[in-house]
Amino acid sequence: QSVLTQPPSVSGAPGQRVTISCTGSSSNIGAGYDVHWYQHLPGTAPKLLIYTNNQRPSGVPDRFSGSRSGTSASLAISGLQAEDEADYYCQSYDSSLSGHVFGTGTKVTVL
Amino acid sequence: QVQLVQSGAEVKKPGASVKLSCKASGYSFTNYAMHWVRQAPGQRLEWMGWVNAGNGDTKHSRKFQDRITITRDTSASTAYLELSSLRSEDTALYYCARGGGPLYYTSYMEVWGKGTTITVSS
Repeated sequence: QSVLTQPPSVSGAPGQRVTISCTGSSSNIGAGYDVHWYQHLPGTAPKLLIYTNNQRPSGVPDRFSGSRSGTSASLAISGLQAEDEADYYCQSYDSSLSGHVFGTGTKVTVL
Repeated sequence: QVQLVQSGAEVKKPGASVKLSCKASGYSFTNYAMHWVRQAPGQRLEWMGWVNAGNGDTKHSRKFQDRITITRDTSASTAYLELSSLRSEDTALYYCARGGGPLYYTSYMEVWGKGTTITVSS
């Protein structure tokens, strides 16, 4: 059973806005633990995209934004570009597991 | 700039052990933690464990029970992951990643190494 659940895939045309959900529970996101997001291109190391729910590291375009509410979090990508085609993962801490967990991952396809 | 250089790919037989290294440069090693994350073929990212490079405190996923040992050598600015009793399911790409954030519970993976491929096969 997955601790953080994401949709397997989302798609959009160039320029459109897409959102990726990350649904958790009362032992992770719902408990107030921060959510972080990563972009993972095949054959490369994952890249930190959003940390502490809605903070962008230096160099990450402001097209990427994050939010958290209740037991869920979301990553939004606006002005979708071909280079955004990748896998995206959320990550948080889970108190029942006493460890960090990743979401199930979402593949973003640019049509 | 911050760099994490990981050791080379290895092929191991079931039941064996493997020790991976992750050499850090470009920052003060003891001021940050280090995470270990792996990705099996076709699977999601999986968190394995964490070491506070300053005081050596470690945490790990319960999934790995007694099979995992995470250490660090401050003189070499290097973190290590040792996994024992290897199984075919341990075949994966193993990443180290510098921990961001002030606390273990709020930590995230700020900078990643390029990964080490471990293949477990008889």
